[in-house]
Amino acid sequence: QVQLVESGGGLVKPGGSLRLSCAASGFMFSDYSMGWIRQGPGKGLEWVSYMSSSGTDIFYADSVKGRFTISRDNGHNSLYLQMDSLRAEDTAVYYCARDRNTAAIFDSWGQGTLVTVSS
Amino acid sequence: SYVLTQPPSVAVAPGRTAILTCGGNNIGHKTVHWYQQQRPGQAPVLVIYYDTDRPSGIPERFSGSNSGNTATLTISRVEAGDEADYYCQVWDSSSNHAVFGGGTKLTVL
Repeated sequence: QVQLVESGGGLVKPGGSLRLSCAASGFMFSDYSMGWIRQGPGKGLEWVSYMSSSGTDIFYADSVKGRFTISRDNGHNSLYLQMDSLRAEDTAVYYCARDRNTAAIFDSWGQGTLVTVSS
Repeated sequence: SYVLTQPPSVAVAPGRTAILTCGGNNIGHKTVHWYQQQRPGQAPVLVIYYDTDRPSGIPERFSGSNSGNTATLTISRVEAGDEADYYCQVWDSSSNHAVFGGGTKLTVL
């Protein structure tokens, strides 16, 4: 079955960096677009970034553009999110999710990884 | 940027019908997807996509519609297990952004 497992979260100081990973299994990873979505403490879902299956189409939320970089390694069935210049407001659980139909329909989600930005 | 508006909370008695709305400018011209999140921090589950389609495993009690400025998720014969946060979502092609509504907390009385 489809499985997405995020890792790489943790505590980081403002201005610091983290790299999140998402290991995919149970489906042909290279055929699917993927996304990152986050949820701050007590808040709703916020879309962060999106990458097409081949990596040619990449989009970012305005709140992270220029600071975060999405990437993927289809040979290793993995999705990544490099997060630089982190701010307190980036504190959230970060989910990776599979796009069902190349239409930003997120049909499978990981369990999330917590990123805390604090001094 | 495109904005989706959801009421913060809806309460319904067991066995009744819950109607959750998602407002957006001409949202009827977009396709809307709905997610259920049982608890904050728990992975969301897709319950409706393309306005009206149900993924396999989602009960027929869940249905959707979309017209004009409002999309709707309808849950018939509500059960205690339906208590959760529900989020609507679209893809805004003008900005190439996915947009989520603020979420509605469904309480089963």
